[in-house]
Amino acid sequence: QKEVEQDPGPLSVPEGAIVSLNCTYSNSAFQYFMWYRQYSRKGPELLMYTYSSGNKEDGRFTAQVDKSSKYISLFIRDSQPSDSATYLCAIEAGANNLFFGTGTRLTVIP
Amino acid sequence: DAGITQSPRHKVTETGTPVTLRCHQTENHRYMYWYRQDPGHGLRLIHYSYGVKDTDKGEVSDGYSVSRSKTEDFLLTLESATSSQTSVYFCAISESKGTGAYFGAGTRLSVL
Repeated sequence: QKEVEQDPGPLSVPEGAIVSLNCTYSNSAFQYFMWYRQYSRKGPELLMYTYSSGNKEDGRFTAQVDKSSKYISLFIRDSQPSDSATYLCAIEAGANNLFFGTGTRLTVIP
Repeated sequence: DAGITQSPRHKVTETGTPVTLRCHQTENHRYMYWYRQDPGHGLRLIHYSYGVKDTDKGEVSDGYSVSRSKTEDFLLTLESATSSQTSVYFCAISESKGTGAYFGAGTRLSVL
């Protein structure tokens, strides 16, 4: 079983829509969770990181962790065409080792 | 790219040749990583370093070695390149636990 699983999509939404991106993970001991955005032919860019359960908000982005379900989510409000990218969830598993999901490709249509 | 420079950015080489990729950081972060990214597999950890001359293997370390003689430089060497090592290689740095890692722009390597 992989440490983290992510629906690859692709996902297409109209501009202004609320986007929900999701991952599940395998080990309930994991405590640090991250979301990255990756534009085509670029390196991943750290969007947000959270610790344990709960929500964290940063502008139009909200990261949510549900440890009871081993489920993490990223919500994007008022989505923009510039949000079109691949979004990667990641989990830190000791010794600063990050396990990544395979990414969800998002397209926001003007 | 958070003070991370990868070189070269693109490389084409032949099977059996040695290849070295370089990662240089200006952030003085303790932790450095090499990942490869392939379709369907996502990012997978090759090796990482938690200090000068302190390195350890990651998930897909076979066929790769690393060295870190200075805080700012982390080298990845393919001893004898194979076609299965055709990939995009990313270097990443991290300051401390739980704060995520910052990635370089990547090196596209093709082994023919």
